[in-house]
Amino acid sequence: AQKITQTQPGMFVQEKEAVTLDCTYDTSDQSYGLFWYKQPSSGEMIFLIYQGSYDEQNATEGRYSLNFQKARKSANLVISASQLGDSAMYFCAMREGQWLTGGGNKLTFGTGTQLKVEL
Amino acid sequence: EADIYQTPRYLVIGTGKKITLECSQTMGHDKMYWYQQDPGMELHLIHYSYGVNSTEKGDLSSESTVSRIRTEHFPLTLESARPSHTSQYLCASTGGAKEKLFFGSGTQLSVL
Repeated sequence: AQKITQTQPGMFVQEKEAVTLDCTYDTSDQSYGLFWYKQPSSGEMIFLIYQGSYDEQNATEGRYSLNFQKARKSANLVISASQLGDSAMYFCAMREGQWLTGGGNKLTFGTGTQLKVEL
Repeated sequence: EADIYQTPRYLVIGTGKKITLECSQTMGHDKMYWYQQDPGMELHLIHYSYGVNSTEKGDLSSESTVSRIRTEHFPLTLESARPSHTSQYLCASTGGAKEKLFFGSGTQLSVL
């Protein structure tokens, strides 16, 4: 079974609108971490946001927020006020177990969502 | 800004050659990782290290090998490159900030 599932291979959004990128995960661990990374066409991986399994509040970082629904095992990324520079591939990833005992951030990645922001 | 460096950025090489992809970080991180990524696809963990003299294979089987003789240096070696090794290789490290995995800019390897 896939540990991280991103069901949207591609998404289009108009500039200045909000967009939600879906991510569901599968783990039997009680302690885990969820990450979103952005990968522009240049290839580098840019960290966006992190949510710990015990964090009660949804994580936010500027225009990025993570809609964490633990019971549904979903960790959707919401980008508000989209900009042309947001066009990129977006990856959801998970660390299973605690950071110290789980190999640090040994992450499993989803297949990604290609986001295109249009004028 | 992350201080993790990969060289070369691009490498085109013939079949059968031995290659080493370099990865260095100046953050003093104990934990380092190598991921492999085919175009438009997800990243797969191929090697990781918890510290000096510690290396482990990742989830994706790879013919490459790694070493960790110094904290800051985590090179990846292919003894005999093949076209099936053509891919992007991304190095990463993590330290005290558990929320972040810092990535290098990657090496795009093409084996002809």
